[in-house]
Amino acid sequence: QKEVEQNSGPLSVPEGAIASLNCTYSDRVSQSFFWYRQYSGKSPELIMSIYSNGDKEDGRFTAQLNKASQYVSLLIRDSQPSDSATYLCAVAPYSNSGYALNFGKGTSLLVTP
Amino acid sequence: DVKVTQSSRYLVKRTGEKVFLECVQDMDHENMFWYRQDPGLGLRLIYFSYDVKMKEKGDIPEGYSVSREKKERFSLILESASTNQTSMYLCASSSHRRTTYEQYFGPGTRLTVT
Repeated sequence: QKEVEQNSGPLSVPEGAIASLNCTYSDRVSQSFFWYRQYSGKSPELIMSIYSNGDKEDGRFTAQLNKASQYVSLLIRDSQPSDSATYLCAVAPYSNSGYALNFGKGTSLLVTP
Repeated sequence: DVKVTQSSRYLVKRTGEKVFLECVQDMDHENMFWYRQDPGLGLRLIYFSYDVKMKEKGDIPEGYSVSREKKERFSLILESASTNQTSMYLCASSSHRRTTYEQYFGPGTRLTVT
């Protein structure tokens, strides 16, 4: 079973701070990595994809990937109360039957005004 | 924009009923997925399909079946609903022409079985 691990939280940060969300995965040959945001009672929404080592920035979001350490993170700069949600990490294995993703259970983020 | 729609946002059924959940995507995606999501258990894959009439079991297929007669439509069937199938059901789709595996989710169906 391919594992994707996330701290469940809640992670509480003050408004304007940087929120750092972490994810580790067990399948060393995984190729594609995703972050989804899920508001309470809603479905997951894709916010970041990353495929190669290093950083990828999109607005206030930065995804970081380190394949050697099997670690992917999401940084949210200038956190806003509207960022309060659960963030799911997802990983696409290299040997993929049917293109299914492996999801972590998510980290709950609370941004306090 | 990718659009995935699901037939109902909320559904209440009785134990033993046959339940149909439908999902439609408008992006010509080959792959479609059914998940259920429960507090503390995360997203769990029930079934997926990578082509018309093709299906693969996910992690928790017991008590469920699926149908994919057209590329854009993927149905989840609860043959005889039970209370332990009360959950949020999420459909997703992706393309394998693009080897990036990004999945896009529908709004979800919250099913209550009484």
